[in-house]
Amino acid sequence: AQTIHQWPVAEIKAVGSPLSLGCTIKGKSSPNLYWYWQATGGTLQQLFYSITVGQVESVVQLNLSASRPKDDQFILSTEKLLLSHSGFYLCAWTGGPYEQYFGPGTRLTVL
Amino acid sequence: QQKVQQSPESLIVPEGGMASLNCTSSDRNVDYFWWYRQHSGKSPKMLMSIFSNGEKEEGRFTVHLNKASLHTSLHIRDSQPSDSALYLCAASMYRGSALGRLHFGAGTQLIVIP
Repeated sequence: AQTIHQWPVAEIKAVGSPLSLGCTIKGKSSPNLYWYWQATGGTLQQLFYSITVGQVESVVQLNLSASRPKDDQFILSTEKLLLSHSGFYLCAWTGGPYEQYFGPGTRLTVL
Repeated sequence: QQKVQQSPESLIVPEGGMASLNCTSSDRNVDYFWWYRQHSGKSPKMLMSIFSNGEKEEGRFTVHLNKASLHTSLHIRDSQPSDSALYLCAASMYRGSALGRLHFGAGTQLIVIP
């Protein structure tokens, strides 16, 4: 069975500080991976997706970047956080056209 | 403008009742629709997906799709208090080996009253 893990579970950071969020999926070879962001009370927005190692497509520009250093790993980062970056960050994978599964998420608070 | 519109924004049903949720895409390129359920503070969990015209049933959940109007609906029969959650509709194209951009609606907040 596939498992998806995100770290950290929650983070409180200062405006202007750097950020790195991680996502790992086990039990699935060459998954398509996605980053989503959900502001409190807001709509879920797709940020990035990746279909292979080293390749990332940007969907929404939020002064964030993503990388896929390994087949099972997807990283979301920024060098300088903004207040507007607060929210719930979700990693997801697809196993085909009919299924997309989300990880447990990372809750980010920027002060 | 939202590409995926959901209605109603919120819905209250009694325990044992039927809940009906609607979703329409304004993007005629979409092929697939999904319904997700998100309990407060948790990540969304996929309920059902549909890509063909017609109806699909899984337990208490039934999904309808009309591709001509790009409208899908989710019906929950015998609603339970544990069904209380935010229900999200998503739509996408599927091209080659990857989903295209997945557009989510703002959701319908379902409250089931015991």
